[in-house]
Amino acid sequence: GAGVSQSPRYKVAKRGQDVALRCDPISGHVSLFWYQQALGQGPEFLTYFQNEAQLDKSGLPSDRFFAERPEGSVSTLKIQRTQQEDSAVYLCASSGGLNTEAFFGQGTRLTVV
Amino acid sequence: QKEVEQDPGPLSVPEGAIVSLNCTYSNSAFQYFMWYRQYSRKGPELLMYTYSSGNKEDGRFTAQVDKSSKYISLFIRDSQPSDSATYLCAMKGNQAGTALIFGKGTTLSVSS
Repeated sequence: GAGVSQSPRYKVAKRGQDVALRCDPISGHVSLFWYQQALGQGPEFLTYFQNEAQLDKSGLPSDRFFAERPEGSVSTLKIQRTQQEDSAVYLCASSGGLNTEAFFGQGTRLTVV
Repeated sequence: QKEVEQDPGPLSVPEGAIVSLNCTYSNSAFQYFMWYRQYSRKGPELLMYTYSSGNKEDGRFTAQVDKSSKYISLFIRDSQPSDSATYLCAMKGNQAGTALIFGKGTTLSVSS
């Protein structure tokens, strides 16, 4: 596709509900990152995939957060038993090489009520 | 102390002004330096991408990196109301696949 696509754009979840956020990276991009952006803050790293391998998940805030990229293209970030502090914009970025520019999607704005 | 420091502003300037945005950092391993522009309720859009020290110019935008001072800058010439956005600096080390470390972002408002 032309750019990184994320869905849904907005998600409202009741506390305790599970959510799944989808990222379609730019076609052929090897690297895929997930970031979390709280209001008024810069994005903070969650996890990194190189093709289908999850090479770094050091930024995931708890074991309620889980990400996968089973075929090396589309990725899903899952949050179990959502809490209010999970409310944020979740951004996905992809890059074509291992040290090349990263391009971001529009993000999914998650609100936990 | 955060690895990357950026004054959140807000910064308000009149149309046509020269804007200077800055970040400082503490990790000497950072080698790649980027500036992203983020409009409200949108994802970050890459503006400038530089490796190591030096200057890079692209139209009205100039990025400068001073690794000796651990200081990077973005200059916007002839600023326009459409430049009103949040500007995020970001940086990373040499190792492949390492994540970007972002500043907080500076909110810029250009009035006509």
